[in-house]
Amino acid sequence: SQKIEQNSEALNIQEGKTATLTCNYTNYSPAYLQWYRQDPGRGPVFLLLIRENEKEKRKERLKVTFDTTLKQSLFHITASQPADSATYLCALNDYAGNNRKLIWGLGTSLAVNP
Amino acid sequence: EPEVTQTPSHQVTQMGQEVILRCVPISNHLYFYWYRQILGQKVEFLVSFYNNEISEKSEIFDDQFSVERPDGSNFTLKIRSTKLEDSAMYFCASSDLTGQLTGELFFGEGSRLTVL
Repeated sequence: SQKIEQNSEALNIQEGKTATLTCNYTNYSPAYLQWYRQDPGRGPVFLLLIRENEKEKRKERLKVTFDTTLKQSLFHITASQPADSATYLCALNDYAGNNRKLIWGLGTSLAVNP
Repeated sequence: EPEVTQTPSHQVTQMGQEVILRCVPISNHLYFYWYRQILGQKVEFLVSFYNNEISEKSEIFDDQFSVERPDGSNFTLKIRSTKLEDSAMYFCASSDLTGQLTGELFFGEGSRLTVL
């Protein structure tokens, strides 16, 4: 079955630097791959998605890449700010029948230090 | 901005008791979901719901679980006889048709269930 692996170690970076988070999956390439943000004790918040036939997607300071050969997505936050500190979750659609369910990585915790 | 709301935010119950978690999805969304997250673990899919019936459920969603849309706004998750291992954060989510295809879901803030 499909599994998602994200860096389990927390990422600490200095304000203003670029944070890069990695998401690897094991089996088939999904039609869509999503990145969510989760703050402690809160629900996931959708940030960005990328389609299977897209190499890169940008939204403001966020950039997502998708390499189906490597079975990997990278998530970048440029000009990082302390407010970007959170856990970032990678998810992808697990197609089943006429509906989709998301399967999730454990997330990578990001701390941006002022 | 429209949001998904969940109640209660925290519920403590004794093992074997019934629990109902409530959700009000975004009003023009037609697809509804429950996910759960045990502390320190991954978010896990429980069930999806569309057109007043379950679309898909995971192996976690056994006979102890049920969902219902009792009226035009609420979406509930019932656990009939809670077990210790049901302790988790339960997230309700909703989406429109595009979101159902792409995985762009809107999540509530969660209901933390503690089973003693």
